[in-house]
Amino acid sequence: QVRLVQSGAEVKRPGASVKVSCKASGYTFTGYYIHWLRQAPGQGLEWMGRISPNSGGTKYAENFQGRVTLTRDTSINTAYMELSGLRSDDRAVYYCAREDGYCRGGTCYPWFDPWGQGTLVTISS
Amino acid sequence: DIVMTQTPLSLSVTPGQPASISCKSSESLLHNNGRTHLNWYLQRPGQPPQLLIYEISNRFSGVPDRFGGSGSGTDFTLKISRVEAEDVGVYYCMQSIQSPTFGQGTRLEIK
Repeated sequence: QVRLVQSGAEVKRPGASVKVSCKASGYTFTGYYIHWLRQAPGQGLEWMGRISPNSGGTKYAENFQGRVTLTRDTSINTAYMELSGLRSDDRAVYYCAREDGYCRGGTCYPWFDPWGQGTLVTISS
Repeated sequence: DIVMTQTPLSLSVTPGQPASISCKSSESLLHNNGRTHLNWYLQRPGQPPQLLIYEISNRFSGVPDRFGGSGSGTDFTLKISRVEAEDVGVYYCMQSIQSPTFGQGTRLEIK
């Protein structure tokens, strides 16, 4: 079945960077965009950006421009999210999710299924 | 960014009774492609979100038919016809006509 499996929890110092992986299985990795979202403790969901595993093309949310980098390695069907300049308010569970949706004229209007299990990133000095 | 506002933020429902969640967007989610880009998710405790409904009213694969979505433009509703214990969790609406944004979530508990 279609699965996204993320790397394990991380503890980072303020100012450091974190890189989370998302390994896809059960479908053609290059056929679907991968999105990254996060959820601070007890809070709602925030979209961070997305990557085309086929082309490597990316789109980032304004709130994360300059701090987040999305990459992929098609040889191992894995997408990565790297967040730099970590602050205390970056403490959150980070999710990857596969895009499905309606596409027309080169623009897609996504919904997300499935999601990875989530990766908790804790910031601690 | 489009702001999504859900009400109520929490509700407590007796099993077998209906439940309804409202979601309002700050801009119309009707695209000139004729489709409305509003989706619903359920996040069960300790789990990632899971897709329930896409484009207002289309139930995703495996979603029970007691879940139904309706609405248009900027006003949308998720209804559960008869709540079951497994429906406990937080429900989110999400728009994708622009970069995705979510409502604050509505926590459903069982009485």
